[in-house]
Amino acid sequence: GAVVSQHPSWVICKSGTSVKIECRSLDFQATTMFWYRQFPKQSLMLMATSNEGSKATYEQGVEKDKFLINHASLTLSTLTVTSAHPEDSSFYICSAQPQGQETQYFGPGTRLLVL
Amino acid sequence: GENVEQHPSTLSVQEGDSAVIKCTYSDSASNYFPWYKQELGKGPQLIIDIRSNVGEKKDQRIAVTLNKTAKHFSLHITETQPEDSAVYFCAASIWENFVFGPGTRLSVLP
Repeated sequence: GAVVSQHPSWVICKSGTSVKIECRSLDFQATTMFWYRQFPKQSLMLMATSNEGSKATYEQGVEKDKFLINHASLTLSTLTVTSAHPEDSSFYICSAQPQGQETQYFGPGTRLLVL
Repeated sequence: GENVEQHPSTLSVQEGDSAVIKCTYSDSASNYFPWYKQELGKGPQLIIDIRSNVGEKKDQRIAVTLNKTAKHFSLHITETQPEDSAVYFCAASIWENFVFGPGTRLSVLP
């Protein structure tokens, strides 16, 4: 149980294009989902927290117009990197928190490379 | 806000030996402490967790201890195997507010 999927797992795009990453909780409902960014050999950096049906809460320094988050249902959240640039290249990981639980379950991550 | 420190940053052990990773936290209100294992190129996987009303929890070769007074908690892996090699992250949380440690890279040498 408690499986979280992400799609795509790998994406390469040209500078200036937008990329959408999906995060799904497969066997549970998640009122809260989180988006993280991870640089090589570093810890997880929280970008934003999203609650189903409401606007995401972004961490300080994260541009909300750059990283659009939509949490349309209890099993799906999407992160769109708009007008991507090479400095946006990173490993993006989502996590989902089941209703009534404290635990976060992570997806497998999406590696983004912007050329 | 909460601050989580984790030591050591790297740890090498011989196969079969034990490994211990320690985390300290600053906010006494934190009440949930999970440990995650992250293999290269993958997302973190929850391996064990402990709540503030418990002092110790064990699951086969993995155990976690919590000292609320000292505000530290530790991960213990016994009889280590090469597949235990990964980066381990601790976290301290209050519901949806998770703060992760910087990670420990564990290498189990055959």
